[in-house]
Amino acid sequence: AQTVTQSQPEMSVQEAETVTLSCTYDTSESDYYLFWYKQPPSRQMILVIRQEAYKQQNATENRFSVNFQKAAKSFSLKISDSQLGDAAMYFCAYSSRSGKLVFGAGTILRVKS
Amino acid sequence: KAGVTQTPRYLIKTRGQQVTLSCSPISGHRSVSWYQQTPGQGLQFLFEYFSETQRNKGNFPGRFSGRQFSNSRSEMNVSTLELGDSALYLCASSRGGTNTEAFFGQGTRLTVV
Repeated sequence: AQTVTQSQPEMSVQEAETVTLSCTYDTSESDYYLFWYKQPPSRQMILVIRQEAYKQQNATENRFSVNFQKAAKSFSLKISDSQLGDAAMYFCAYSSRSGKLVFGAGTILRVKS
Repeated sequence: KAGVTQTPRYLIKTRGQQVTLSCSPISGHRSVSWYQQTPGQGLQFLFEYFSETQRNKGNFPGRFSGRQFSNSRSEMNVSTLELGDSALYLCASSRGGTNTEAFFGQGTRLTVV
């Protein structure tokens, strides 16, 4: 069975600084997808960034980028120039072609002004 | 383009009753998945429907069931409610196939008293 581990229950970052959220996963499959979702207090899950396992190039979306290390099964999220609106719970998630998402426990990100 | 719509947003039920939650996916999306989110267990996969067929099922008792209609709308039913069923129920839609990018609704907050 696939598992996703987020070892940081909570992180803090100063506004305009950079923060990295960690995620490791375990799978025996070779074809899969990895995601970072953001869940603000409104509880709406918002897709932040997605990575296909077959792509070696790390995905980027504006201030958000990932460090995908397939051999190490590591998938960290870097947020640059942090903004107050980035404060939320962040979930790392894994999906094979089945469409089922397996989530980590989440990391609460606090942004200090 | 309308997002994923879940109704109702909030629900209070008594132990032993049953409840039906509804999810309307994004137009053109054929896959609908359901997740339960609780503080203790985190986000857990319930089931996924694709073209009216249950394609995946999580590890939940038979009291949890679902279905999908020809217009891709999905309903989830929980019978004989227990206090532990209190949770945020999230629905996600995707195109299905090899594109597993999922978009979430705002959820239904179920409280069992």
